[in-house]
Amino acid sequence: AQKITQTQPGMFVQEKEAVTLDCTYDTSDPSYGLFWYKQPSSGEMIFLIYQGSYDQQNATEGRYSLNFQKARKSANLVISASQLGDSAMYFCATGYSTLTFGKGTMLLVSP
Amino acid sequence: DTGVSQDPRHKITKRGQNVTFRCDPISEHNRLYWYRQTLGQGPEFLTYFQNEAQLEKSRLLSDRFSAERPKGSFSTLEIQRTEQGDSAMYLCASSSAGVTKETQYFGPGTRLLVL
Repeated sequence: AQKITQTQPGMFVQEKEAVTLDCTYDTSDPSYGLFWYKQPSSGEMIFLIYQGSYDQQNATEGRYSLNFQKARKSANLVISASQLGDSAMYFCATGYSTLTFGKGTMLLVSP
Repeated sequence: DTGVSQDPRHKITKRGQNVTFRCDPISEHNRLYWYRQTLGQGPEFLTYFQNEAQLEKSRLLSDRFSAERPKGSFSTLEIQRTEQGDSAMYLCASSSAGVTKETQYFGPGTRLLVL
């Protein structure tokens, strides 16, 4: 069984600042992946970043990085230099053939 | 590279009617997934296919729900005798099995409203 916990219902950040979105996970799988998706108001889930449980380094994709702390079972998303277009829901997920998602965090970026 | 597409994007129906949704995955992907998302929640897994074979179904998938992927390409999700509780966003995703960092890519979703 897998579980994702996102404790921040909403986050507020000013443009050009960095923001961290929290995610903790619980899984019985010895090897697993961790994913972050962005969901704008249009509804489409947009893949952002992937971290494998055995990856030696934290994943980075442009302005997105994943702060992976395996012992703490956390996989926080860091967005650097926030932009207005980053305003959206953000979901953390884990799994392989099927994904288990958290409830999401709403990020609002202000000018 | 064409992404995942879903049709229709929106559907309004009356309780008791049947509805069918279609998903076209990314062409080289052999896995196709269906998820349901209700307001304020993350997506929940319903079922998935590898090629034509339906490999897993969630307990959420009642006997009113049926999914097919007849030729291993597009898939359909049918809901019979719709109920108001079926109102949700239905998301389709696809991936390539066996690749490193296998990632699911989602379509735009079908929003269903049951009156």
